[in-house]
Amino acid sequence: GENVEQHPSTLSVQEGDSAVIKCTYSDSASNYFPWYKQELGKRPQLIIDIRSNVGEKKDQRIAVTLNKTAKHFSLHITETQPEDSAVYFCAAHLGMNTGFQKLVFGTGTRLLVSP
Amino acid sequence: GAVVSQHPSWVICKSGTSVKIECRSLDFQATTMFWYRQFPKQSLMLMATSNEGSKATYEQGVEKDKFLINHASLTLSTLTVTSAHPEDSSFYICSARDRGRSSNSPLHFGNGTRLTVT
Repeated sequence: GENVEQHPSTLSVQEGDSAVIKCTYSDSASNYFPWYKQELGKRPQLIIDIRSNVGEKKDQRIAVTLNKTAKHFSLHITETQPEDSAVYFCAAHLGMNTGFQKLVFGTGTRLLVSP
Repeated sequence: GAVVSQHPSWVICKSGTSVKIECRSLDFQATTMFWYRQFPKQSLMLMATSNEGSKATYEQGVEKDKFLINHASLTLSTLTVTSAHPEDSSFYICSARDRGRSSNSPLHFGNGTRLTVT
């Protein structure tokens, strides 16, 4: 099936700690994996993305890793700050072999960073 | 650049009425637009893929006669919720990809429409 699984559903950390969110996908032909941050009542904001031709990408405190063989990718946030508190969604571009390509979202992780 | 304008941002309607939501790409053309629905504390669920000049592709379980999609131009897609019921109350978000970009490029999201059916 076409699905993206995400863990954990909630994550509480202390300010300054690291946070890791993991996702798995089903379509081995998927080639694009974005991560979004969504604050209450607002649209999701793209924070980082990775394509299937690379294994890791970093942008300041945020990094994403991709393991194509295992079909999983992870978001790493270092030196977390209270303003990082939000819901984070992974997504995967699925349907690459069907002609009906679409972006499917994971179930979301509610991150709470305590001061 | 790459702005998607979605209107209205919120709407309250009575049960049985219809509501139209517009999604416009302001500075790029979009052959394909996507409509998502998000219930409270849940993920974004793809409802349908809107294709310019042709019929929309609906996800399994989404009623095409209830959620009418029209993509008449390269910059405008509309979603009409017909005969709305309280269970249709949700956050509806559209997104679009620049037709000049590859399939593995970012989607651009509208600000969403919060629909409340009373």
